[in-house]
Amino acid sequence: AQTVTQSQPEMSVQEAETVTLSCTYDTSESDYYLFWYKQPPSRQMILVIRQEAYKQQNATENRFSVNFQKAAKSFSLKISDSQLGDAAMYFCAYRSANFGNEKLTFGTGTRLTIIP
Amino acid sequence: GAVVSQHPSRVICKSGTSVKIECRSLDFQATTMFWYRQFPKQSLMLMATSNEGSKATYEQGVEKDKFLINHASLTLSTLTVTSAHPEDSSFYICSARDLGGSTYEQYFGPGTRLTVT
Repeated sequence: AQTVTQSQPEMSVQEAETVTLSCTYDTSESDYYLFWYKQPPSRQMILVIRQEAYKQQNATENRFSVNFQKAAKSFSLKISDSQLGDAAMYFCAYRSANFGNEKLTFGTGTRLTIIP
Repeated sequence: GAVVSQHPSRVICKSGTSVKIECRSLDFQATTMFWYRQFPKQSLMLMATSNEGSKATYEQGVEKDKFLINHASLTLSTLTVTSAHPEDSSFYICSARDLGGSTYEQYFGPGTRLTVT
């Protein structure tokens, strides 16, 4: 079974600064997808960024980028120019690429606080 | 973008009663929907995978007779919590995969907060 580990329960960053959230995972599969989701106080899950394991290039979405290290099974999220609206719980998630096995396995989450 | 709704957003019920939660994909068809449970300050735990026209697949440890899932159409899945007890109080979230979309995108509903008194 796959597992996802987020070792930082809480992180804080000064507004406009950069912060990196860590995530490691364990799997025996070679093809899969990795995601970062944001859950603000409204509890609505919002997809931040996704990475296909077969792609070597790290995904980037505006101020959000990942450092995907497949051999190390590491998938960290970097948030640049942090904004007050970035304050939320962030969950790392894994999904198999096998058709019919599309369930997401989530990490325990990191609560990000933005300091004005 | 793809929108998933849940109804109700909040529900309070008495111990021993049943409550139904609806999950709808509003602008796309979803052959597969997922039901998650989230306790306060914890992560999302998958309860079951709901497939249109077939029986749901439950995760280990989830009581299928207690959490009844029906996926009768390509846009609607329901979760019924039967004989609810206070320990069933939680935040329930559904997600849906777009039949016509990418292979990896799931869209989440806004969640339903269930309180059993």
